[in-house]
Amino acid sequence: EVQLVQSGAEVKKPGESLRISCKGSGYSFTSYWISWVRQMPGKGLEWMGRIDPSDSYTNYSPSFQGHVTISADKSISTAYLQWSSLKASDTAMYYCAVAGWLVRADAFDIWGQGTMVTVSS
Amino acid sequence: DIQMTQSPSSLSASVGDRVTITCRASQGISNSLAWYQQKPGKAPKLLLYAASRLESGVPSRFSGSGSGTDYTLTISSLQPEDFATYYCQQYYSTPGYTFGQGTKLEIK
Repeated sequence: EVQLVQSGAEVKKPGESLRISCKGSGYSFTSYWISWVRQMPGKGLEWMGRIDPSDSYTNYSPSFQGHVTISADKSISTAYLQWSSLKASDTAMYYCAVAGWLVRADAFDIWGQGTMVTVSS
Repeated sequence: DIQMTQSPSSLSASVGDRVTITCRASQGISNSLAWYQQKPGKAPKLLLYAASRLESGVPSRFSGSGSGTDYTLTISSLQPEDFATYYCQQYYSTPGYTFGQGTKLEIK
């Protein structure tokens, strides 16, 4: 079964660092970009950026460039989303997703289950 | 960035109704459009891509159409499981993917 399994919910304080993960299985991990998508409470979907797991090349949305870091370890088929200093405004659900695995288009056809990040003092 | 504007932002309908959701892009996107369904507490699910192609396993009551900047998602006969939030997304400007703001479909 093709799936992306994300790490569990996190509760952090402002200023703390955090790394969440997304492990792919059932497909060729290095053949498909992995994207991260933010959903703030009660709000819509925002694409944050993506990584090519084969060489760790990244693209970021201008809205998130410099605020987060996307990385990957292809030896364990895992992508990461990282913050060096969290803010309360980072409170959100974060999804990883793969585009074009089944469909011949750059649409997200595989999604992780989501990781809820809560930042509160 | 290409901006995606969905309408309406919310919609009340009954089981069996036909509903249409519209998505307008700020520039032409050559049918590079996907539609997703999201239920509370769940990840989005791909319904259609390339504006009108149905993802495998998606019921045929869902359909998509459009061209240029204007696209629609139609549900021909609403079923109880269809009450959810729907998002459009353009992938014409890769990697600058953008989503519409969502349409919440509620039971009347």
